[in-house]
Amino acid sequence: EAQVTQNPRYLITVTGKKLTVTCSQNMNHEYMSWYRQDPGLGLRQIYYSMNVEVTDKGDVPEGYKVSRKEKRNFPLILESPSPNQTSLYFCASSLDLLSDTQYFGPGTRLTVL
Amino acid sequence: GDSVTQMEGPVTLSEEAFLTINCTYTATGYPSLFWYVQYPGEGLQLLLKATKADDKGSNKGFEATYRKETTSFHLEKGSVQVSDSAVYFCALSDHNFNKFYFGSGTKLNVKP
Repeated sequence: EAQVTQNPRYLITVTGKKLTVTCSQNMNHEYMSWYRQDPGLGLRQIYYSMNVEVTDKGDVPEGYKVSRKEKRNFPLILESPSPNQTSLYFCASSLDLLSDTQYFGPGTRLTVL
Repeated sequence: GDSVTQMEGPVTLSEEAFLTINCTYTATGYPSLFWYVQYPGEGLQLLLKATKADDKGSNKGFEATYRKETTSFHLEKGSVQVSDSAVYFCALSDHNFNKFYFGSGTKLNVKP
């Protein structure tokens, strides 16, 4: 089954404790992206990757890191989480940017205390 | 920069009513436009898209037309069902900057 998977689905952590949210797709997609969803703000793009080893900042990259060492995986890293990073996070992938249709993972709800 | 503005919700309709959710955009180039739907507890799913001016996207009875002159992409459905209750997001892709932009979402509640 073609899908985007994220882990964990739910996470409660404390300020400053490094964490990683994994994202994996099995569709051989080149473009991958991370978003955060906050009430009243919709989805905002954090980082995106056009292909392996190619990543770039979205609109809200502060406090986040990403890596793309393999085509299928695109982890989101919070080196020192803060309470304002409490949010619902989505990973998405698409064949390439021009094909446009993004496939979304189920989301990760993160709470930083 | 690019942006997407859509009508605030929630929108509450009775079953079989006509639906319109307004969406306007600002973009520097010629973006592709989308409507995504999010059901409770799930990720977003593509509902429909249009890649150039005057294109009409359609799916499951929903339609939207890419209007370059009014920079709009309004979502319509002639007769909504209870199962259409969800949050709807208008979005654009900026090919110049390889980014996607989403509106704030409009929650639709359809009552039997």
